[in-house]
Amino acid sequence: GAVVSQHPSRVICKSGTSVKIECRSLDFQATTMFWYRQFPKQSLMLMATSNEGSKATYEQGVEKDKFLINHASLTLSTLTVTSAHPEDSSFYICSASDRGSEQYFGPGTRLTVT
Amino acid sequence: GENVEQHPSTLSVQEGDSAVIKCTYSDSASNYFPWYKQELGKGPQLIIDIRSNVGEKKDQRIAVTLNKTAKHFSLHITETQPEDSAVYFCAASWGSSNTGKLIFGQGTTLQVKP
Repeated sequence: GAVVSQHPSRVICKSGTSVKIECRSLDFQATTMFWYRQFPKQSLMLMATSNEGSKATYEQGVEKDKFLINHASLTLSTLTVTSAHPEDSSFYICSASDRGSEQYFGPGTRLTVT
Repeated sequence: GENVEQHPSTLSVQEGDSAVIKCTYSDSASNYFPWYKQELGKGPQLIIDIRSNVGEKKDQRIAVTLNKTAKHFSLHITETQPEDSAVYFCAASWGSSNTGKLIFGQGTTLQVKP
């Protein structure tokens, strides 16, 4: 149990375009989902926290207009990187949790912006 | 805010030896301390966690200890195997439930030599 999937696993896009990443909890209802970014050989940095049906809470320094997060259902959250630039290239990881449980992480999405 | 320091950054052991990774946290309100294993190109996988009302927890070859007074917690892996080679992250969270934000340590790259 407690499986979280992400789609796509890898994506390459051109500078200036937008990319959407999906995060799904497959066998449980996720009241809260988290989005992280991880640069090579670095730790995970929390970008934002989203609760189903409400606006995401962004960490300091994360541009909410650039990284659009939608948590429309208890099993799906999406992260859209708008007007992507090469510096947005990174490994994006989501996690999901149910009330009172630990966070389960997805397999990550490798974004490359050319 | 919370800060988590993790040491060492790299650790190399011989197969069968023990490995110990240590973390310290700054916020005394932190009450949940998970450890994650991350293999190359994958998302973190929860391997063990401990809550602030417990001093030690064990799961087969893996154990975690928590010293609330000193604000540090450690991961112990005994009888290491080559498949234990990965990056390990500690994290700390606080709040009334453990669905709060996770603050990650910097990570430890463990290499187990056969």
